[in-house]
Amino acid sequence: DAKTTQPPSMDCAEGRAANLPCNHSTISGNEYVYWYRQIHSQGPQYIIHGLKNNETNEMASLIITEDRKSSTLILPHATLRDTAVYYCIAGQTGANNLFFGTGTRLTVIP
Amino acid sequence: KAGVTQTPRYLIKTRGQQVTLSCSPISGHRSVSWYQQTPGQGLQFLFEYFSETQRNKGNFPGRFSGRQFSNSRSEMNVSTLELGDSALYLCASSSGLEGFRTDTQYFGPGTRLTVL
Repeated sequence: DAKTTQPPSMDCAEGRAANLPCNHSTISGNEYVYWYRQIHSQGPQYIIHGLKNNETNEMASLIITEDRKSSTLILPHATLRDTAVYYCIAGQTGANNLFFGTGTRLTVIP
Repeated sequence: KAGVTQTPRYLIKTRGQQVTLSCSPISGHRSVSWYQQTPGQGLQFLFEYFSETQRNKGNFPGRFSGRQFSNSRSEMNVSTLELGDSALYLCASSSGLEGFRTDTQYFGPGTRLTVL
């Protein structure tokens, strides 16, 4: 699986959009980009995933560059409950041996 | 639909003992994966079971083993516990169908194991 690179930490003001970047320059053609988050000491929570088209669900939007070497997770209106570690993972759909990396610790500030 | 459940939630053992952790996947899911999370190493993949067979394995010693039952419930066992085995053990379930676009892993709350 391709490795991903994320900034170790970010802050975001409550109510503003949180844009979390991820680099995955070695991603292969059949690998999806997955985003999970983990709130302290809980199990990771699935957010969204995509292959090459932008995706949106009730939690977030995922923007993938045309060359697929990077992506951005967007939380449109961050709340205090969005404070968590966010993991960007490149993996094949159905491959359940995900490599989580160190993620980005997002802190939403009141 | 009920989520992934793990039992017990907390466990304290001493070095040299063995431990068995249990995971019940989401109904209809056939794949169960196990992960270990420690402050130093982060979240690491242990192994995956699909239809009662180990399908993938991470880089952990043979003291870590698992199995899956016909109802997809899974157990993992750690023998001869070491202090370094203290961790949050997470299980995740999915349909397990490779190439299935919407297949994703859903995690349980974890079992916090402390080895003294």
